[in-house]
Amino acid sequence: QPVLTQPPSASASLGASVTLTCTLSSGYSNYKVDWYQQRPGKGPQFVMRVGTGGIVKSKGDGIPDRFSVLGSGLNRYLTIKNIQEEDESDYYCGTDHVDGSNFVWVFGGGTKLTVL
Amino acid sequence: QVHLVQSGPEVRKPGASVKVSCKASGYTFINHGISWVRQAPGQGLEWVGWISGYDGRTNFARKFQDRVIMTTDTSTTTAYMELRGLRVDDTAAYYCARESPDYGSYFLDYWGQGTMVTVSS
Repeated sequence: QPVLTQPPSASASLGASVTLTCTLSSGYSNYKVDWYQQRPGKGPQFVMRVGTGGIVKSKGDGIPDRFSVLGSGLNRYLTIKNIQEEDESDYYCGTDHVDGSNFVWVFGGGTKLTVL
Repeated sequence: QVHLVQSGPEVRKPGASVKVSCKASGYTFINHGISWVRQAPGQGLEWVGWISGYDGRTNFARKFQDRVIMTTDTSTTTAYMELRGLRVDDTAAYYCARESPDYGSYFLDYWGQGTMVTVSS
């Protein structure tokens, strides 16, 4: 099954831009990946789904236009422009994988985004 | 408007069982599955398993297969997850999430608020 790798932390200044990366393990370059935002003390929220061609599904409820995605090779990117204080969150990527007649969900370890 | 509302926090002793509920509203319950995902304090997300809203078929992560039971009640549009033989390292927030299809795969588009399960002697 695929392994998703995320850097543990990232930071950006208020009003700046930041790109978060999720890397699929070798052999899974055709996989779509979902991004989730988890604000402190809250449950995860779906941000959007990305494949190698870019966004696959509409953004989740309330996700602003400042959020965008790209996909290239094994990498799936989430870019946040004009960062606001409310964007300070943990960001997880995840994907489903068919394993024989079953399927499993796998998640990356998450990236903690700090707004400076 | 889709909502998933979970039951309140639970405290159990090692070896006990816990049953968490997830009340769904705002969509046709039988058209979507529900996945359960847990998060230990300060840790990342871990998938526990899935149940079909249509026919109750289940699929579990290997590490939970012997200890987890998932059910649904379509009359009340509620999903349940029961975890047996609790251990201290089962202490976590447990989330339910609605699955939506996307051309042969799925994504988790709505999540519950989470239920904290604490296992302590």
